[in-house]
Amino acid sequence: EAGVAQSPRYKIIEKRQSVAFWCNPISGHATLYWYQQILGQGPKLLIQFQNNGVVDDSQLPKDRFSAERLKGVDSTLKIQPAKLEDSAVYLCASSLPQTVNTEAFFGQGTRLTVV
Amino acid sequence: GENVEQHPSTLSVQEGDSAVIKCTYSDSASNYFPWYKQELGKRPQLIIDIRSNVGEKKDQRIAVTLNKTAKHFSLHITETQPEDSAVYFCAALRPLTTDSWGKLQFGAGTQVVVTP
Repeated sequence: EAGVAQSPRYKIIEKRQSVAFWCNPISGHATLYWYQQILGQGPKLLIQFQNNGVVDDSQLPKDRFSAERLKGVDSTLKIQPAKLEDSAVYLCASSLPQTVNTEAFFGQGTRLTVV
Repeated sequence: GENVEQHPSTLSVQEGDSAVIKCTYSDSASNYFPWYKQELGKRPQLIIDIRSNVGEKKDQRIAVTLNKTAKHFSLHITETQPEDSAVYFCAALRPLTTDSWGKLQFGAGTQVVVTP
């Protein structure tokens, strides 16, 4: 089966610029996560969607980060304006609804470097 | 808030020895505990998981134990090989219910280095 697709794989931008990442989850997966993984750390949940609704964005820096999941399928994560500390790998993951212990599948991630 | 703590942050073992990674969680509603392996530059991939109604699970050289009362779970790798070198993440899932959304929280990771 096709996995979680993300693009771009790499992005280098200057601070204060804006950037957007795209994620296409596994077909049929209602739950979609965006994680930020800073080098040497574990994935930190930024936002979680159930279909096209946000169910958890408590750790999303809303002054600069935004995300949407129109039509409950693909999702985009945007940063505007970017800061140096946003340099990280942004991982998208999807799963079936977590009623019972469902595996989350990860995309390859987008490595963002802010200079 | 809910969190998952993982120890140690780095672990060096000789090939053939065992490696043990421990995690604790705070959300008592968590009922599913997956372990992911992430090789350098690659995506995290599930290697083993355990459900809250089970105390131990084994898959070849990998085993996971769960103590629900103490809220901790561990990954055990026996007869380690160089290809086991990677970062390992534990996670805890609070399931989706009529009262709350499901949430998957990760530990900070353990860098395992297996030396020949």
